[in-house]
Amino acid sequence: QKEVEQNSGPLSVPEGAIASLNCTYSDRGSQSFFWYRQYSGKSPELIMFIYSNGDKEDGRFTAQLNKASQYVSLLIRDSQPSDSATYLCAVTHRDDKIIFGKGTRLHILP
Amino acid sequence: DAGVTQSPTHLIKTRGQQVTLRCSPKSGHDTVSWYQQALGQGPQFIFQYYEEEERQRGNFPDRFSGHQFPNYSSELNVNALLLGDSALYLCASSLGEGYTFGSGTRLTVV
Repeated sequence: QKEVEQNSGPLSVPEGAIASLNCTYSDRGSQSFFWYRQYSGKSPELIMFIYSNGDKEDGRFTAQLNKASQYVSLLIRDSQPSDSATYLCAVTHRDDKIIFGKGTRLHILP
Repeated sequence: DAGVTQSPTHLIKTRGQQVTLRCSPKSGHDTVSWYQQALGQGPQFIFQYYEEEERQRGNFPDRFSGHQFPNYSSELNVNALLLGDSALYLCASSLGEGYTFGSGTRLTVV
């Protein structure tokens, strides 16, 4: 049973372009949605969280949530080489347990 | 403000042995969750502790057990180690939603 699904990538994006990362989830009762960034050999770092349908912007990052389609995305504007990492989508279940996807590897091309 | 601290950072054990991993949560955080992350995979939820009780548990065998102390710190114990237990073990603390991760313990079972 796939609960949180992400394309594993790698997703290659030219420097300065917009990177678009996508995630779908299976539990319609999911309440909260998170995006974590993980550099190789490091632990995950919280980038954004979103609770309500629509967009949420923080600097170069925008999280988008569509609960009807059970879909959450992360847009990274003006991509930088330092954005190259694995991006993990995470979803809070009804029981407050956070479930992670397998992550999408993003590679920003200089 | 110290974040989440985990010890040890690296560990090598032999099959059949037992191991204890330790975690001190971020100051003010009362909930500790443990995750196992195999290479190239997303973090897999092991269990969560709150008020010294196991509140949630993922799909892991009873060989995996834990404890939370009155100061909110936590231990993860794994008995009868298998080669497949080799992974990065992540501790995350929270107060409400959104986890802060420690740097992890890299466990290698030989």
